[in-house]
Amino acid sequence: KAGVTQTPRYLIKTRGQQVTLSCSPISGHRSVSWYQQTPGQGLQFLFEYFSETQRNKGNFPGRFSGRQFSNSRSEMNVSTLELGDSALYLCASSLRTGTLNGQYFGPGTRLTVT
Amino acid sequence: SQELEQSPQSLIVQEGKNLTINCTSSKTLYGLYWYKQKYGEGLIFLMMLQKGGEEKSHEKITAKLDEKKQQSSLHITASQPSHAGIYLCGADDNTGKLIFGQGTTLQVKP
Repeated sequence: KAGVTQTPRYLIKTRGQQVTLSCSPISGHRSVSWYQQTPGQGLQFLFEYFSETQRNKGNFPGRFSGRQFSNSRSEMNVSTLELGDSALYLCASSLRTGTLNGQYFGPGTRLTVT
Repeated sequence: SQELEQSPQSLIVQEGKNLTINCTSSKTLYGLYWYKQKYGEGLIFLMMLQKGGEEKSHEKITAKLDEKKQQSSLHITASQPSHAGIYLCGADDNTGKLIFGQGTTLQVKP
């Protein structure tokens, strides 16, 4: 079975721009969770989608949004980028919602905002 | 809100030495997970603990959840360079949100 894939792996954007990251889950997994990892704040939960519906959300501003498609692929969008948005963005997929149990993580997208 | 605190933040050990990483929760843990991460990469699942007093081992890594279910420890015996990386504990906070400790960076000197 193919693992969780994330595209692109690396991205450089300028302040004020917007960015879209993509995550393809393991086949059969309907839950996709997104995380932001920075040296200062560590790994923080952004949101989770299950069957195209957002089920849970972390404490991030509305500039961070996401969606999930009928094939369970998910995209995450960040608008009006700030320098502090530079981070490793990880997604994880699983069969179940609302738990780390059974979550498989992708390799991440490294976003640099200049 | 629930928080996880890991200690130490970083650790440098000589190859062959034992070491322990701790993860303390501000609230009762309903599921505690340990992960390893190579810098800039995704998380690799190590172990999950759910019951107070539960202990699990895989190769030279042992994890334990204390009886009161508010602290977990990860112990590595006879460390090797392959054990180097960032170790993170994670938990289900029982409201659907998923939380993580700040991570412990481990270096193993040959």
